Parts: sequence; C-alpha cells; structure tokens
Amino acid sequence: KAGVTQTPRYLIKTRGQQVTLSCSPISGHRSVSWYQQTPGQGLQFLFEYFSETQRNKGNFPGRFSGRQFSNSRSEMNVSTLELGDSALYLCASANTGELFFGEGSRLTVL
Amino acid sequence: QKEVEQNSGPLSVPEGAIASLNCTYSDRGSQSFFWYRQYSGKSPELIMFIYSNGDKEDGRFTAQLNKASQYVSLLIRDSQPSDSATYLCAVSRAGNNRKLIWGLGTSLAVNP
Repeated sequence: KAGVTQTPRYLIKTRGQQVTLSCSPISGHRSVSWYQQTPGQGLQFLFEYFSETQRNKGNFPGRFSGRQFSNSRSEMNVSTLELGDSALYLCASANTGELFFGEGSRLTVL
Repeated sequence: QKEVEQNSGPLSVPEGAIASLNCTYSDRGSQSFFWYRQYSGKSPELIMFIYSNGDKEDGRFTAQLNKASQYVSLLIRDSQPSDSATYLCAVSRAGNNRKLIWGLGTSLAVNP
C-alpha cells in the first residue's frame, strides 16, 4: 500500500513569490491535514480537509490556504512568501485513526 | 508558556536501560495524547496514543497519563541504539484528533 506522497520534496523561492505544495494521501483516506515544522516552533497545525471541506483551521494568516479534490488529493498554497515561511511542510492522511505523515516538502525562502 | 512542553534534551541512556520521556500540557480540555518518534530527516511516526488515566503498554513502550497533573510520559524499556530519535508529544481536544498541538520534542540518544 503506497504511503502519503508529497511533492515537491525540496524547493527554493524568493520573498513575495507564491508556492503550491501537493499531497496524495493513502488510498481510502479521506482526511488530509497539513502541518508546518520549524526548529523554533516545532510542528504547528495549518488545516485539515475532509471530503473536500475544510474541517479545522490553525492560527496561520490568510496567505496560507488549501483545498482538497474529489480524489482526496490536497494542495496547499502560500502566497506572498516571507523569510519566516521557510520550513518543512508535512501532510498527514488519516482514515479513522492515526495520522500517517508524508516525507514533507522543504521550502526555503530567500 | 507553550501549550505542550517537553525537555529538549538530549537525554542520553546506555543500551538496555529505561528511557523516561516527559510531557506537560496546559489545556485541561485535552482528551487525546500521542507519542510520535521522528528520526533525523524523516517524518513523525506514531508510537502510542492514550486517552485514559493510567498506564498503557505496547511492547517495550509504556505511556502514562495523569490528567489531574496534566502530565503524560513515555517509558522505553530495554532501550536500543535504534531508539535514538526525537520523541514528540502531541495532544488534542475531544473529537478533534487531527488538530494536534505538539511539543518541541525530546532528543534521545541510546549509547551502545
């Protein structure tokens, strides 16, 4: 059974640009959550999607947005990038129980 | 004060010893408690979860929860070098298991 797949794995952007990250959950999983991980703040919840609807949202500015498609694949977008957005972005899928994380997308903002 | 606090470590134990990892949380509405392990450069993976006060054992791992003291711990018996990783404590409110609040993690080094 394939795991959670995130693309791209690494990317470099400059301030002011925008970025879109993609997540393909484990087959059959309808819940997709996004987290930001930085050394100083640790893992912070961004949002969760379930059946194409945002079910939970963390305390991030509106520059961070996401969506989920009918096949449960999810994307997150960050607009007007800031240096502080440099982080590992983790996607996790779930069915009824535990979260299964992808390997993450490491974003560097210069 | 962070909502979930862990000693950053590093915690260093000899092979075969018991490693004790601790976590405190501030939200009394927290109902679900999770321990994840994260190897360097890898994503977190779930070790155990606990919902009720007391102990829960799974192989070499035991999670302990004390809601009155707002404290959750993880014991690793017979520690192995392969247990060397960062251990993350995460909590969530009732019915909201996807919105986890995380500690910064404790780095564990098991020395052969």
